Amino acid sequence: NFMLTQPHSVSESPGKTVTISCTRSSGSIASNYVQWYQQRPGSSPTTVIFEGNERPSGVPDRFSGSIDSSSNSASLTISGLKTEDEADYYCQSYDSSNHWVFGGGTKLTVL
Amino acid sequence: EVQLVASGGGSVQPGRSLRLSCAASGFTFHDYAMHWVRQAPGKGLEWVSGISWNSGSIGYADSVRGRFTISRDNAKNSLYLHMNSLRAEDTAFYYCAKDSRAVTTGGWFDPWGQGTLVTVSS
Repeated sequence: NFMLTQPHSVSESPGKTVTISCTRSSGSIASNYVQWYQQRPGSSPTTVIFEGNERPSGVPDRFSGSIDSSSNSASLTISGLKTEDEADYYCQSYDSSNHWVFGGGTKLTVL
Repeated sequence: EVQLVASGGGSVQPGRSLRLSCAASGFTFHDYAMHWVRQAPGKGLEWVSGISWNSGSIGYADSVRGRFTISRDNAKNSLYLHMNSLRAEDTAFYYCAKDSRAVTTGGWFDPWGQGTLVTVSS
C-alpha cells in the first residue's frame, strides 16, 4: 500500500492562484487516476476533479488537476480564488487489491 | 436527483455491534459499485469498504477487516455496513458514496450521502 501526503494548510488572497500538492509515497503517481474532493464545514465531500483533470458539471474551470512524475505528485490548482473556495481538499487514488487511499487533507484559507 | 441517505448511527459501547444503512435513489443502483468512507471528528477521510455492483468484489481497510462486513440489496436499493467488535477509534461520521463504475477498481466517488455519526464509548 502507499500513502498520499498533502500539506496541512495553505492560504492565499482572493483573486490569486493556489496549488495543493499530493505526493504518493511509493509506486508511480501515474499508475492510477487521482481525484480531488472539496469539503466545506458541516457538509459532505463533493468532487472537484476526477480522473486526473476532469471536472464534474457545475465545477468552474478555475479548478484544474495535474500530475508531476518527477516529484511523484498530483496537484490541484485553483485560480481566481473566491471566498467560497475556502474548504478542506482531499486527494484520493486507487491502490491495488480493491483498496482506496485518501490524502490527509489540506485546509484552504482564502484571506 | 441522485440521493444517498445514510442512517443507523448512534452511541454504542465498545465491543458491541451496529448496522448502518444507505438508501439510494435517483439512479440505477445495481449498475454501480458503492463505498463506505468515515471521518473521525475533526480528522480526515478514511476509506472503509467498497462493494461491486453484484457483490462479487469486496474490499476492506486493514483497520476494519474481520470486524466490518459490507453488503447490498439491489432489490431494495440499499447498502449496508455491519460493524462488530466496535472500538473507540471507530468513532466517526460514516458516509456512503456511489462509485462512478460498476466495479471497485479505479472509479471516483460521487455523490456522497450526508453521513451518520457512530460514537463508541463506555
